[in-house]
Amino acid sequence: EAGVAQSPRYKIIEKRQSVAFWCNPISGHATLYWYQQILGQGPKLLIQFQNNGVVDDSQLPKDRFSAERLKGVDSTLKIQPAKLEDSAVYLCASSLDLTDTQYFGPGTRLTVL
Amino acid sequence: DQQVKQNSPSLSVQEGRISILNCDYTNSMFDYFLWYKKYPAEGPTFLISISSIKDKNEDGRFTVFLNKSAKHLSLHIVPSQPGDSAVYFCAASAPGNTPLVFGKGTRLSVIA
Repeated sequence: EAGVAQSPRYKIIEKRQSVAFWCNPISGHATLYWYQQILGQGPKLLIQFQNNGVVDDSQLPKDRFSAERLKGVDSTLKIQPAKLEDSAVYLCASSLDLTDTQYFGPGTRLTVL
Repeated sequence: DQQVKQNSPSLSVQEGRISILNCDYTNSMFDYFLWYKKYPAEGPTFLISISSIKDKNEDGRFTVFLNKSAKHLSLHIVPSQPGDSAVYFCAASAPGNTPLVFGKGTRLSVIA
């Protein structure tokens, strides 16, 4: 079974630029999560989707971050404009349903200069 | 306010000995606890979990103990192997569809 796929794996941008990350969850997984992991911290949930609907986006900085999962499968997370403090690893995870075990992708390491 | 705390940033253990990783939590609503393992340049991998109705769960070399009165859980790895060297994250959630809350992680080094 293929795992959670993410791209790109690494991205370097300058502040005020825009960036987008892509995630393809495990086939058949209805729930998709985006996490931000800052160096030295644990992952922090940004947004959670159930199929193509948002379940929880309370910790998403909506002035600059947006995410979508239009067809209920893959998802895109965008940052516009980026700030220095957005430098982090962005992890995508998926689970069969809302309370099932989450499986993580390898992450995208973002560096904002 | 950190609801899940892993107070040891790192731990070094000899191969074959026991590794004990600790985790404390402050939110008494948490009823489900997980441990994830993370290798460099990879995402976290689920290792083992425990519900608050239990005080112990075992899976091969890995055992998680939960002490609800102390709001403390620990992960025991016996015997430790070099391949266990990784960062271990403790995570917790409350009932219903509430987000997982992660600790900062403990880096385990198993020395051959």
